[in-house]
Amino acid sequence: QVQLQESGPRLVKPSQTLSLTCTVSGVSISSGAYYWSWIRQDPEKGLEWIGHIYHTGTTYYNPSLKSRLTISVDTSKQQFSLRLTSVSAADTALYYCAGGAGSIDSWGQGTLVTVSS
Amino acid sequence: DIQMTQSPSTLSVSVGDRVTITCRASQSFSRWLAWYQQKPGKAPKLLISKASILESGVPSRFSASGSGTEFILTISSLQPDDFATYYCQQYDSYPYTFGQGTKLEIK
Repeated sequence: QVQLQESGPRLVKPSQTLSLTCTVSGVSISSGAYYWSWIRQDPEKGLEWIGHIYHTGTTYYNPSLKSRLTISVDTSKQQFSLRLTSVSAADTALYYCAGGAGSIDSWGQGTLVTVSS
Repeated sequence: DIQMTQSPSTLSVSVGDRVTITCRASQSFSRWLAWYQQKPGKAPKLLISKASILESGVPSRFSASGSGTEFILTISSLQPDDFATYYCQQYDSYPYTFGQGTKLEIK
Protein backbone atom coordinates (compact mmCIF):
# COMPACT_ATOMS: atom_id res chain seq x y z
CA GLN A 1 0.00 0.00 0.00
CA VAL A 2 1.40 3.35 -1.03
CA GLN A 3 1.76 5.88 1.75
CA LEU A 4 2.68 9.52 1.38
CA GLN A 5 3.56 12.06 4.04
CA GLU A 6 3.97 15.79 3.57
CA SER A 7 6.44 17.79 5.61
CA GLY A 8 7.53 21.40 5.70
CA PRO A 9 6.77 24.78 7.25
CA ARG A 10 3.12 25.47 7.99
CA LEU A 11 3.56 29.25 8.02
CA VAL A 12 5.21 31.22 5.24
CA LYS A 13 5.56 34.98 4.97
CA PRO A 14 4.24 36.81 1.92
CA SER A 15 6.76 37.08 -0.93
CA GLN A 16 8.79 34.19 0.46
CA THR A 17 9.09 30.62 -0.78
CA LEU A 18 6.83 27.75 0.17
CA SER A 19 8.70 24.45 0.31
CA LEU A 20 7.18 21.05 0.99
CA THR A 21 8.55 17.54 0.78
CA CYS A 22 6.63 14.32 0.33
CA THR A 23 8.06 11.04 1.55
CA VAL A 24 6.78 7.95 -0.23
CA SER A 25 6.68 4.47 1.23
CA GLY A 26 5.18 1.18 0.16
CA VAL A 27 6.38 1.48 -3.42
CA SER A 28 9.59 2.51 -5.08
CA ILE A 29 9.30 6.08 -6.28
CA SER A 30 11.25 4.89 -9.31
CA SER A 31 8.82 2.10 -10.14
CA GLY A 32 7.39 4.01 -13.06
CA ALA A 33 3.84 3.20 -12.05
CA TYR A 34 3.03 6.67 -10.78
CA TYR A 35 3.21 10.31 -11.49
CA TRP A 36 3.95 12.08 -8.22
CA SER A 37 1.65 15.02 -7.78
CA TRP A 38 0.97 18.08 -5.72
CA ILE A 39 -2.64 19.19 -5.30
CA ARG A 40 -4.01 21.93 -3.12
CA GLN A 41 -7.42 22.65 -1.74
CA ASP A 42 -9.09 25.68 -0.29
CA PRO A 43 -12.75 26.49 0.40
CA GLU A 44 -12.85 29.21 -2.27
CA LYS A 45 -11.11 27.55 -5.21
CA GLY A 46 -11.73 23.91 -4.41
CA LEU A 47 -9.22 21.33 -5.56
CA GLU A 48 -6.41 22.61 -7.75
CA TRP A 49 -3.90 20.38 -9.50
CA ILE A 50 -0.49 22.00 -9.08
CA GLY A 51 1.65 19.65 -11.12
CA HIS A 52 3.40 16.32 -11.16
CA ILE A 53 6.74 14.69 -11.75
CA TYR A 54 7.78 11.34 -13.10
CA HIS A 55 10.70 9.49 -11.55
CA THR A 56 12.82 10.47 -14.55
CA GLY A 57 12.40 14.10 -13.57
CA THR A 58 9.90 14.96 -16.29
CA THR A 59 7.47 17.53 -14.96
CA TYR A 60 4.10 18.96 -15.91
CA TYR A 61 2.99 22.15 -14.23
CA ASN A 62 -0.26 24.03 -14.00
CA PRO A 63 0.28 27.08 -16.23
CA SER A 64 -1.34 29.28 -13.58
CA LEU A 65 1.59 28.52 -11.26
CA LYS A 66 4.35 27.62 -13.68
CA SER A 67 6.35 30.83 -13.35
CA ARG A 68 6.70 30.31 -9.59
CA LEU A 69 6.79 26.53 -9.36
CA THR A 70 9.42 23.84 -9.18
CA ILE A 71 8.72 20.18 -8.50
CA SER A 72 11.71 17.91 -8.03
CA VAL A 73 12.36 14.29 -7.11
CA ASP A 74 15.06 12.58 -5.08
CA THR A 75 14.74 8.89 -5.80
CA SER A 76 17.48 7.96 -3.34
CA LYS A 77 15.42 9.41 -0.50
CA GLN A 78 12.02 8.28 -1.81
CA GLN A 79 10.97 11.92 -1.81
CA PHE A 80 9.61 14.54 -4.12
CA SER A 81 9.31 18.23 -3.38
CA LEU A 82 7.37 21.37 -4.14
CA ARG A 83 8.83 24.84 -4.24
CA LEU A 84 6.54 27.81 -4.84
CA THR A 85 8.13 31.25 -4.86
CA SER A 86 6.73 34.72 -4.22
CA VAL A 87 3.75 33.45 -2.28
CA SER A 88 0.76 35.53 -1.29
CA ALA A 89 -2.35 34.97 0.80
CA ALA A 90 -3.90 33.36 -2.28
CA ASP A 91 -1.50 30.45 -1.83
CA THR A 92 -2.90 29.62 1.61
CA ALA A 93 -4.35 26.14 1.24
CA LEU A 94 -4.26 22.52 2.28
CA TYR A 95 -1.48 20.96 0.24
CA TYR A 96 -1.59 17.28 -0.66
CA CYS A 97 1.08 15.14 -2.16
CA ALA A 98 -0.32 12.27 -4.13
CA GLY A 99 0.41 9.53 -6.60
CA GLY A 100 -1.34 8.05 -9.55
CA ALA A 101 -1.29 7.51 -13.27
CA GLY A 102 -3.65 10.35 -14.10
CA SER A 103 -6.33 9.52 -11.61
CA ILE A 104 -4.97 9.88 -8.10
CA ASP A 105 -5.20 6.68 -6.11
CA SER A 106 -2.88 7.54 -3.25
CA TRP A 107 -2.98 10.71 -1.18
CA GLY A 108 -1.06 12.10 1.75
CA GLN A 109 -3.01 13.39 4.71
CA GLY A 110 -2.46 16.97 3.60
CA THR A 111 -0.71 19.84 5.29
CA LEU A 112 -2.23 23.27 5.84
CA VAL A 113 0.10 26.03 4.74
CA THR A 114 -0.79 29.57 5.74
CA VAL A 115 0.76 32.59 4.07
CA SER A 116 0.79 35.41 6.55
CA SER A 117 3.15 37.95 8.03
CA ASP B 1 -8.01 24.43 -19.59
CA ILE B 2 -10.96 22.04 -19.49
CA GLN B 3 -13.50 23.41 -17.04
CA MET B 4 -15.45 20.80 -15.07
CA THR B 5 -18.86 21.77 -13.74
CA GLN B 6 -20.71 19.56 -11.32
CA SER B 7 -24.40 19.63 -10.57
CA PRO B 8 -25.92 19.96 -8.20
CA SER B 9 -23.55 21.64 -5.76
CA THR B 10 -25.53 20.31 -2.83
CA LEU B 11 -28.01 17.47 -2.63
CA SER B 12 -30.28 16.75 0.33
CA VAL B 13 -30.89 13.04 0.37
CA SER B 14 -32.00 10.18 2.58
CA VAL B 15 -30.59 6.75 3.23
CA GLY B 16 -31.83 4.42 0.53
CA ASP B 17 -32.18 7.13 -2.12
CA ARG B 18 -30.78 6.75 -5.60
CA VAL B 19 -28.32 9.58 -6.18
CA THR B 20 -27.10 10.97 -9.47
CA ILE B 21 -24.33 13.54 -9.79
CA THR B 22 -23.45 15.07 -13.14
CA CYS B 23 -20.11 16.42 -14.27
CA ARG B 24 -19.98 18.44 -17.48
CA ALA B 25 -16.81 19.36 -19.31
CA SER B 26 -16.19 22.54 -21.27
CA GLN B 27 -14.75 20.47 -24.11
CA SER B 28 -15.15 16.91 -25.18
CA PHE B 29 -12.75 14.18 -24.22
CA SER B 30 -12.80 10.42 -24.09
CA ARG B 31 -12.85 8.55 -20.81
CA TRP B 32 -10.04 10.02 -18.75
CA LEU B 33 -12.29 10.98 -15.88
CA ALA B 34 -12.14 10.10 -12.20
CA TRP B 35 -14.58 10.41 -9.32
CA TYR B 36 -13.51 10.97 -5.71
CA GLN B 37 -15.25 10.93 -2.36
CA GLN B 38 -14.04 13.27 0.36
CA LYS B 39 -15.09 13.28 3.99
CA PRO B 40 -14.34 16.17 6.38
CA GLY B 41 -10.73 16.27 7.47
CA LYS B 42 -9.70 13.54 5.05
CA ALA B 43 -8.02 13.39 1.68
CA PRO B 44 -10.14 12.53 -1.33
CA LYS B 45 -10.56 8.84 -2.04
CA LEU B 46 -10.57 7.52 -5.59
CA LEU B 47 -13.83 5.74 -6.40
CA ILE B 48 -13.89 5.53 -10.18
CA SER B 49 -11.26 5.87 -12.89
CA LYS B 50 -11.51 5.88 -16.68
CA ALA B 51 -15.06 7.17 -16.37
CA SER B 52 -16.58 3.87 -15.27
CA ILE B 53 -14.02 1.56 -13.67
CA LEU B 54 -14.74 0.91 -10.02
CA GLU B 55 -11.65 0.91 -7.84
CA SER B 56 -10.93 -2.15 -5.77
CA GLY B 57 -12.85 -2.17 -2.51
CA VAL B 58 -15.43 0.40 -3.59
CA PRO B 59 -18.98 -0.85 -3.00
CA SER B 60 -20.92 -1.92 -6.06
CA ARG B 61 -23.68 0.57 -5.28
CA PHE B 62 -21.36 3.12 -6.91
CA SER B 63 -21.32 3.24 -10.69
CA ALA B 64 -20.41 5.79 -13.30
CA SER B 65 -20.73 6.38 -16.98
CA GLY B 66 -20.24 8.95 -19.69
CA SER B 67 -17.94 10.30 -22.33
CA GLY B 68 -17.62 13.46 -24.35
CA THR B 69 -18.79 16.30 -22.18
CA GLU B 70 -21.18 14.59 -19.76
CA PHE B 71 -20.27 12.15 -17.03
CA ILE B 72 -22.49 10.71 -14.32
CA LEU B 73 -21.85 9.18 -10.93
CA THR B 74 -24.68 7.09 -9.49
CA ILE B 75 -25.15 5.70 -6.02
CA SER B 76 -27.90 3.13 -6.29
CA SER B 77 -28.99 3.09 -2.66
CA LEU B 78 -27.39 5.67 -0.41
CA GLN B 79 -25.85 4.36 2.79
CA PRO B 80 -24.97 6.38 5.92
CA ASP B 81 -21.27 6.14 5.08
CA ASP B 82 -21.87 7.86 1.72
CA PHE B 83 -22.63 11.31 3.11
CA ALA B 84 -19.62 13.18 1.80
CA THR B 85 -18.52 15.53 -0.95
CA TYR B 86 -17.90 14.08 -4.41
CA TYR B 87 -15.54 15.48 -7.03
CA CYS B 88 -14.90 14.69 -10.65
CA GLN B 89 -11.49 15.20 -12.23
CA GLN B 90 -10.42 15.12 -15.85
CA TYR B 91 -6.97 13.81 -16.68
CA ASP B 92 -7.33 13.94 -20.43
CA SER B 93 -5.25 17.07 -20.85
CA TYR B 94 -3.05 19.39 -18.87
CA PRO B 95 -3.68 21.01 -16.55
CA TYR B 96 -5.77 18.36 -14.86
CA THR B 97 -8.89 19.97 -13.42
CA PHE B 98 -11.51 19.15 -10.83
CA GLY B 99 -15.17 19.91 -10.52
CA GLN B 100 -16.23 22.17 -7.67
CA GLY B 101 -17.78 19.30 -5.73
CA THR B 102 -21.21 17.97 -4.83
CA LYS B 103 -22.02 17.73 -1.15
CA LEU B 104 -24.53 15.12 -0.03
CA GLU B 105 -26.47 16.30 2.99
CA ILE B 106 -28.92 14.45 5.16
CA LYS B 107 -32.49 15.44 4.31
